[in-house]
Amino acid sequence: SQQGEEDPQALSIQEGENATMNCSYKTSINNLQWYRQNSGRGLVHLILIRSNEREKHSGRLRVTLDTSKKSSSLLITASRAADTASYFCATARGGGSQGNLIFGKGTKLSVKP
Amino acid sequence: NAGVMQNPRHLVRRRGQEARLRCSPMKGHSHVYWYRQLPEEGLKFMVYLQKENIIDESGMPKERFSAEFPKEGPSILRIQQVVRGDSAAYFCASSPQVGVDQPQHFGDGTRLSIL
Repeated sequence: SQQGEEDPQALSIQEGENATMNCSYKTSINNLQWYRQNSGRGLVHLILIRSNEREKHSGRLRVTLDTSKKSSSLLITASRAADTASYFCATARGGGSQGNLIFGKGTKLSVKP
Repeated sequence: NAGVMQNPRHLVRRRGQEARLRCSPMKGHSHVYWYRQLPEEGLKFMVYLQKENIIDESGMPKERFSAEFPKEGPSILRIQQVVRGDSAAYFCASSPQVGVDQPQHFGDGTRLSIL
């Protein structure tokens, strides 16, 4: 299977609830990034966490990284209907090509008003 | 400050024809990346270019696909003799400089349909 697998594949919650998405990867990384994709649109960068960081916050987003387990989680607090989108984690490998981001298949989040 | 511009947004081709997809990076960005996305899938890296140079084409199919980023003008992804399996969304991204900590800025993609 590919580097960067998100879990769950789909998540449906009510507005105001928190949403947690997980990502696992296989090889060593320099950083892990989370992107959002609205239907029919391109990806929007949300947050980047470096391999020497364990947690990072940006507004209602909280990202954790556990390099020993090769996993990351994205928490969206107090969700809104506008958060409905697909969320992807992406890893950039150490060394080699610096442009090669490896994406998972994504978590499709649906936030019901 | 325009973002990454891709055109056309939708492209329909018959089998055997050529498809040309264009990407204008954000102003000041000299690094361009192309990705392909199949329905319900994540993006798959194809090629990474800087002005006039292909840096990494490890994700490009060996035949029929080519990419360029000339000194002047947009980056072009070219698919010759298209087949049904080429139907996908093709996304371009750009970044201002090289470095593994550079987030990539994406266009809204070109949706290619092969009849």
